[in-house]
Amino acid sequence: ELKVEQNPLFLSMQEGKNYTIYCNYSTTSDRLYWYRQDPGKSLESLFVLLSNGAVKQEGRLMASLDTKARLSTLHITAAVHDLSATYFCAVLSGGGADGLTFGKGTHLIIQP
Amino acid sequence: DTEVTQTPKHLVMGMTNKKSLKCEQHMGHRAMYWYKQKAKKPPELMFVYSYEKLSINESVPSRFSPECPNSSLLNLHLHALQPEDSALYLCASSQVGGGDRREQYFGPGTRLTVT
Repeated sequence: ELKVEQNPLFLSMQEGKNYTIYCNYSTTSDRLYWYRQDPGKSLESLFVLLSNGAVKQEGRLMASLDTKARLSTLHITAAVHDLSATYFCAVLSGGGADGLTFGKGTHLIIQP
Repeated sequence: DTEVTQTPKHLVMGMTNKKSLKCEQHMGHRAMYWYKQKAKKPPELMFVYSYEKLSINESVPSRFSPECPNSSLLNLHLHALQPEDSALYLCASSQVGGGDRREQYFGPGTRLTVT
């Protein structure tokens, strides 16, 4: 059974600081996704990571994937209040059409 | 167009009611998904349709009945629900294949309250 673990689950930080969210998964997979969810809203796709060593950046967010360590990171640089949200990592467990297995999510609050 | 639409946005129903949730996409995707998300929890997979055929049913109670009438539409029929079924129901779609093609696009969700 595929398990996806995120940490931390809750993070309160000040604007301008840097921080990293970690995502570990239990079985081999070369497809990892990061989503953002605002309160009461649906999921917004942030990054799709498809291969070992993949690194993608969008604004103040950067995601990376190490398939050998079964680890992905989401790094936040110089945080701003607008990045406050819940962030989920998710792993695709098989071939064809498969559902995503999500981590528990990281609730991020960025304070002025 | 990378949009997945869902109707209704909100639904309140009694435990004896029958209702349906609808999902539509026009991206040519051949895989469609239903997820359930309880408050402060991650989404959990319910069903997967691939090429209009049910390929995954994650042991969902029979009071939830999915239907995929064509490649663009996905329904979730609800009957005799329980209050604990109150949640955000998310529909998603994706291509079937390798690489980025399997990225799942999520709809806005239906907020369901069972009274």
